Amino acid sequence: GAVVSQHPSRVICKSGTSVKIECRSLDFQATTMFWYRQFPKKSLMLMATSNEGSKATYEQGVEKDKFLINHASLTLSTLTVTSAHPEDSSFYICSAKPAVAGDIYEQYFGPGTRLTVT
Amino acid sequence: AQKVTQAQTEISVVEKEDVTLDCVYETRDTTYYLFWYKQPPSGELVFLIRRNSFDEQNEISGRYSWNFQKSTSSFNFTITASQVVDSAVYFCALNSDTGTASKLTFGTGTRLQVTL
Repeated sequence: GAVVSQHPSRVICKSGTSVKIECRSLDFQATTMFWYRQFPKKSLMLMATSNEGSKATYEQGVEKDKFLINHASLTLSTLTVTSAHPEDSSFYICSAKPAVAGDIYEQYFGPGTRLTVT
Repeated sequence: AQKVTQAQTEISVVEKEDVTLDCVYETRDTTYYLFWYKQPPSGELVFLIRRNSFDEQNEISGRYSWNFQKSTSSFNFTITASQVVDSAVYFCALNSDTGTASKLTFGTGTRLQVTL
C-alpha cells in the first residue's frame, strides 16, 4: 500500500512552453502533498505545500506564477511549469501525506519526473 | 529553523567494508522525526528508516544500523559489509512539528560508491 505515482516520468519541452506534472496517491487519500525540486547531484528542496481545496503554500524564493500548483482532489496534485526555461530543467519529486495517517509525520514519495527544457 | 548537515559529500569503499554516514541536525522543536532515504541512480527515493525524538534506541535491520544520539544531535547510519548494490546517494532528513504541514528538511546527501 501507500503508493504515489508521477506522470510523466520524463518530459522534454521547448523553451517558452508549459508542462504539467501529475502526482497521484494510488491507494490512499492525501490532504497534503509536497513538491520538491532536485538539481543534479544536489539535495531536495521543498518548493511548495499543496493542500486539497485550497491555495498552495510556496517556499521563499519560489515563483508562484511560474510553478502553478493545483490540488483538486484528495488523490491528485499537479505542478505546471509555465513558460519553461532551460534553468527549470530539474528532477521534480512529489510526496503525499495520508488524510488518515498513522502519525502526523507519515508521507510517501513519488518516483520523480525529470524535466528537460531545450 | 531546521537544518540537516551531512558533512560527507562522497565516500568510496571496497565491497565488504563497513561504512558510516554521518548526519547532524538542528531544531528547536522537542517533537520531531528523523529519516534516512536512499536514492539510487534511477532517482526514486527509497525510505529506510524513521525515528522519533523520544526513542533513542539504536536500530538494526539486516546490514543496516542507526545510532541516534540526542546529546550530540546526530543520527548516523552504518552499513555493515557493504555491497555494490548499496551504491547510491543517501539523504538524512528532519521533519518537525511545523503545524499541519510537517515539512521535510533534507541534508545535502552523501554519495556512496562501493566497488569490487
